[in-house]
Amino acid sequence: GAVVSQHPSRVICKSGTSVKIECRSLDFQATTMFWYRQFPKQSLMLMATSNEGSKATYEQGVEKDKFLINHASLTLSTLTVTSAHPEDSSFYICSASGQGAFYEQYFGPGTRLTVT
Amino acid sequence: ILNVEQSPQSLHVQEGDSTNFTCSFPSSNFYALHWYRWETAKSPEALFVMTLNGDEKKKGRISATLNTKEGYSYLYIKGSQPEDSATYLCAFSSQGGSEKLVFGKGTKLTVNP
Repeated sequence: GAVVSQHPSRVICKSGTSVKIECRSLDFQATTMFWYRQFPKQSLMLMATSNEGSKATYEQGVEKDKFLINHASLTLSTLTVTSAHPEDSSFYICSASGQGAFYEQYFGPGTRLTVT
Repeated sequence: ILNVEQSPQSLHVQEGDSTNFTCSFPSSNFYALHWYRWETAKSPEALFVMTLNGDEKKKGRISATLNTKEGYSYLYIKGSQPEDSATYLCAFSSQGGSEKLVFGKGTKLTVNP
């Protein structure tokens, strides 16, 4: 149980275009989903927290107009990187919680974004 | 700013060796400490969540201890196998921090056959 999928696993896009990443909880209902970013040799950094049906809460320094998050159902959240630039190239990973008593999070496999 | 430190950054051991690594976290407002195993190209896999000072958890050859008063947790692997090769992440959550996890950079373990 507690499987989270994430698509695509890799994406290369041109500067100025937008990219959408999907995160799905496959066998449970995720009341909350999280989006993280990881730069090389750094820790996973939380970007935003989203609850189904409400606006996402962004961490300090994360531009909400650049990283659009939609959590339309209890099993799907999407992250759209708008007008991507090379500095947005990173590893993006989502997680979902909803089952555990201590806010356990279950992770997708991540998406490697490269902006050329 | 909450800071979670893991050491060592990387570790190479021989098959059959036992090993351990450390996670340090803020000792105030503690709520829970999570350990994950992250194999390349896969999703991080939850190993343990610990909440009480003195907690010890075990899963096969892997075990973990927790000291919330001094702010550290140890992860032990007994008789390491090549399939244990992965990055081990710890993450801390605080009282009043809702569900947010603050991660360390991880310890990358390589077990040589």
